Amino acid sequence: DSGVTQTPKHLITATGQRVTLRCSPRSGDLSVYWYQQSLDQGLQFLIQYYNGEERAKGNILERFSAQQFPDLHSELNLSSLELGDSALYFCASSVSLNTGELFFGEGSRLTVL
Amino acid sequence: SQQGEEDPQALSIQEGENATMNCSYKTSINNLQWYRQNSGRGLVHLILIRSNEREKHSGRLRVTLDTSKKSSSLLITASRAADTASYFCATDARGFSGGSNYKLTFGKGTLLTVNP
Repeated sequence: DSGVTQTPKHLITATGQRVTLRCSPRSGDLSVYWYQQSLDQGLQFLIQYYNGEERAKGNILERFSAQQFPDLHSELNLSSLELGDSALYFCASSVSLNTGELFFGEGSRLTVL
Repeated sequence: SQQGEEDPQALSIQEGENATMNCSYKTSINNLQWYRQNSGRGLVHLILIRSNEREKHSGRLRVTLDTSKKSSSLLITASRAADTASYFCATDARGFSGGSNYKLTFGKGTLLTVNP
């Protein structure tokens, strides 16, 4: 158990809909990372937050947004969903701003029909 | 785009044999990490090697780093069926000022199958 909690574990929705994925980092970790994993694209870095502030952005679509709240949990919002958004979405956390060891949650599997 | 590329994409060996996976990357790095992922599960950190280190050991794992060739290798000795998983290298690219750019970029992984 990494100590990182992601909900929901599975989500099935339709094209055009909006979903919110939630992540609680390990106790004491200030950095939260979001990754998308699909068969064709592999593990893609989406965005990183540190202590509530956005610190790095990767291949995150404009239809996607994220935030980190004062209690350090984070949410990833996916809107106007398309079939191609079906993937495993991982949250990871680390103690510091610099990228040392990341602790991954078990992921949220999103299926868009 | 992928920073690291693992090779081979898939590797099948017998229990007790050694497994070697390679990773190549494109830009200067602060550190390189290896992670393991069991099918459909979260990634688990295995080992981190900094850019000024050449070799590191952890249990049955040995990692080497050659910054001149921009490559790393992960050796798993005396493999077990339980080592069956995907293995990913991840790089922390050096930012403009020399520090981290805060993005840990993963390759597409090597699928290791260890047959009993």
